[in-house]
Amino acid sequence: DQQVKQNSPSLSVQEGRISILNCDYTNSMFDYFLWYKKYPAEGPTFLISISSIKDKNEDGRFTVFLNKSAKHLSLHIVPSQPGDSAVYFCAASEVGGNNDMRFGAGTRLTVKP
Amino acid sequence: GAGVSQSPRYKVAKRGQDVALRCDPISGHVSLFWYQQALGQGPEFLTYFQNEAQLDKSGLPSDRFFAERPEGSVSTLKIQRTQQEDSAVYLCASSLDSHEQFFGPGTRLTVL
Repeated sequence: DQQVKQNSPSLSVQEGRISILNCDYTNSMFDYFLWYKKYPAEGPTFLISISSIKDKNEDGRFTVFLNKSAKHLSLHIVPSQPGDSAVYFCAASEVGGNNDMRFGAGTRLTVKP
Repeated sequence: GAGVSQSPRYKVAKRGQDVALRCDPISGHVSLFWYQQALGQGPEFLTYFQNEAQLDKSGLPSDRFFAERPEGSVSTLKIQRTQQEDSAVYLCASSLDSHEQFFGPGTRLTVL
């Protein structure tokens, strides 16, 4: 029962262009969404988050969009840089929960110079 | 640095052997989480502590898995009678009672 889905296992973009990573969820009780970035042999690192009361959150080159009616969120990276190459995980946590997160399977982003 | 540390980083065990994985959270972080990440998958929740209290262990896959945090700081995840399906990266995360969790580098367990 995968409550958070990232249907694209990989994405390749050219340096300077926009990267768009997508995530879908099924649990309507999720109220907080996060994106984590992971390099090999390291733990996931928090990147950006969004509360369900918002539909957009921006931090520098990173913007997360939330569409609650579609149960869909996306991460936009613009402009993409080679150092952005990593695996990106979408995660969600539930109203009244312990803040334990449900993760997607990840999308491997490759930014080509 | 003062991040989350985990030891050992790599562990190879023979099937049936018991293993113990250690997590040192960020000092002062109340919440501690354990996750299991299988190859090609995202992390899956195992268990959650608030200080020394284990408030949620619903993600532990079997009674062979046991976690403790006796003094509300360091935590140990123990797996008894390891099986091949236990092979995964075990991630520990800590949090100052907020949504943002800080992860350690993980322990890669391989059961032969």
